[in-house]
Amino acid sequence: GQQLNQSPQSMFIQEGEDVSMNCTSSSIFNTWLWYKQDPGEGPVLLIALYKAGELTSNGRLTAQFGITRKDSFLNISASIPSDVGIYFCAGPLSQGGSEKLVFGKGTKLTVNP
Amino acid sequence: DVKVTQSSRYLVKRTGEKVFLECVQDMDHENMFWYRQDPGLGLRLIYFSYDVKMKEKGDIPEGYSVSREKKERFSLILESASTNQTSMYLCASSFSDSYKNEKLFFGSGTQLSVL
Repeated sequence: GQQLNQSPQSMFIQEGEDVSMNCTSSSIFNTWLWYKQDPGEGPVLLIALYKAGELTSNGRLTAQFGITRKDSFLNISASIPSDVGIYFCAGPLSQGGSEKLVFGKGTKLTVNP
Repeated sequence: DVKVTQSSRYLVKRTGEKVFLECVQDMDHENMFWYRQDPGLGLRLIYFSYDVKMKEKGDIPEGYSVSREKKERFSLILESASTNQTSMYLCASSFSDSYKNEKLFFGSGTQLSVL
């Protein structure tokens, strides 16, 4: 079942505002991933984090791998209308001898022009 | 450009019908996955496959089966569709290398409505 707690569930912001969202787990992860799903499309990988404490940027996006390895944060600076979509955190979890990617429930972002 | 193609964007079926959802990838990926996406529940793994003719159950396999006869194609089968299987279905693929395994490439999804 779901192992990642993502918050907030939804956000309504004005264009130009900064956005923060986070993901926590009771399990330790060695990798944290952030995906974005545009309306009507499948999710696309935005950022991958592989080391505790790591801070990685991709344009206006910045993500951090928490020191405890049980959380991660995604920030978007100076939001624009095309930032609209659902953002998912994800991490690989070993279960029953195989490794699967587990996803958070997503943060739905709405940006008002 | 890498591509995961799902055969239908929208499907409407009747309760009890057998439904096939097809997915094809052109990246020579070993791994393929089927997820369903429901509002407030995120992405839930139904089945996955790490090789041809191989399949493993995900978190919610009940009511579904899969087929992987060729490396590039992974089919999801609803033996007898029910209304609670109305959902968005997403296919994904990835390389088998454990480092690259985390990067999933998704199709655009099939919105299935079961009446």
